[in-house]
Amino acid sequence: AQTVTQSQPEMSVQEAETVTLSCTYDTSESDYYLFWYKQPPSRQMILVIRQEAYKQQNATENRFSVNFQKAAKSFSLKISDSQLGDAAMYFCAYRSDNYGQNFVFGPGTRLSVLP
Amino acid sequence: GAVVSQHPSRVICKSGTSVKIECRSLDFQATTMFWYRQFPKKSLMLMATSNEGSKATYEQGVEKDKFLINHASLTLSTLTVTSAHPEDSSFYICSARVQTGSNQPQHFGDGTRLSIL
Repeated sequence: AQTVTQSQPEMSVQEAETVTLSCTYDTSESDYYLFWYKQPPSRQMILVIRQEAYKQQNATENRFSVNFQKAAKSFSLKISDSQLGDAAMYFCAYRSDNYGQNFVFGPGTRLSVLP
Repeated sequence: GAVVSQHPSRVICKSGTSVKIECRSLDFQATTMFWYRQFPKKSLMLMATSNEGSKATYEQGVEKDKFLINHASLTLSTLTVTSAHPEDSSFYICSARVQTGSNQPQHFGDGTRLSIL
């Protein structure tokens, strides 16, 4: 079974600075997807960024980028120019490419942004 | 660690059928459970929050009579999609929180992929 680990329960960053949230996973599959979700106090789960395992190029969405290391099974999220609105819980998630397989979420990292 | 079991993982059924999805906390008592729905390549939309022994709180735009949520015990919450139609086909995932308080950790089930023919 797949597992997802986020070793940092809490992180903080100064406004306008850069922060990296770590995520590692364990799988025996070669094709899969990785996600970072942001959860504000509203409890909605907002998709931040998505990476297909077959793509070598790291995904980027504006200030958010990932460092995907397939061999090391690492998928870290970098937030540049941090803003107060970035403060939230961040969940790393894995989904198999096999039909019928569902999500595996990490425990989450709570990010605080300091003014 | 805390484990949340969601069952079934996949459902394929005919239009008009009602489908029940169970969310169980296996090794802890969950005072609060959340139900999410995902649309392809999009965020997980919070549908409702259920607290043990009380009525679920639905998010705006979610039909209460369509998506029945019951949280009868501290380890079980169920979501019933009544008279399901193809547009209800989606991925549904639950999560459970041990104690009240926004800073308490949330543990997710594996999700249920619902396909209505």
